[in-house]
Amino acid sequence: AQTVTQSQPEMSVQEAETVTLSCTYDTSESDYYLFWYKQPPSRQMILVIRQEAYKQQNATENRFSVNFQKAAKSFSLKISDSQLGDAAMYFCAYRTPTQGGSEKLVFGKGTKLTVNP
Amino acid sequence: EAQVTQNPRYLITVTGKKLTVTCSQNMNHEYMSWYRQDPGLGLRQIYYSMNVEVTDKGDVPEGYKVSRKEKRNFPLILESPSPNQTSLYFCASSSYTTYEQYFGPGTRLTVT
Repeated sequence: AQTVTQSQPEMSVQEAETVTLSCTYDTSESDYYLFWYKQPPSRQMILVIRQEAYKQQNATENRFSVNFQKAAKSFSLKISDSQLGDAAMYFCAYRTPTQGGSEKLVFGKGTKLTVNP
Repeated sequence: EAQVTQNPRYLITVTGKKLTVTCSQNMNHEYMSWYRQDPGLGLRQIYYSMNVEVTDKGDVPEGYKVSRKEKRNFPLILESPSPNQTSLYFCASSSYTTYEQYFGPGTRLTVT
């Protein structure tokens, strides 16, 4: 079974600095998708960034980028120029793109990010 | 506006009183799912549906039922709620082409 591990329950960063959140996963599949979701105090789940396993290039969305190491099964999220609004719980998630088959997003337990002014 | 809606947003009920949490999406997505979120456990899938009349169990299906009679709706039914079902519930939907899941705003359920 696929598992997702976030080894940092909590992290903190100074405003304007850079922080990296870790995520590792376990799978025997070769094709899959990885996501980072942000959950602010409003509890809404917001997609931050996605990565297709077949793409070697790391995904980037403005201040958010990933370091995807397929062989190591590692998928870390880097937040540059941290802002107070980045404070939230961040979840790493894994999904197999099985059309017509089992559809499941497997989540890590989350990392709570605090941004200090 | 593309969205997933859930109702109610907050619900306090008593043990054994049947309840339904509704979920609706306006994006014509094939896949819909229900998750529960508990502190320290992240989100865990309860049930999912690949299309109308096609549903299957996720990781924690005990005590829950679902149905998918229309493509846009995927209600979650608790026939006899118990206190261990106190949780934050999310409905989500996705399509074959994009795979990322769009989440509803969540339903905070308390069973006393």
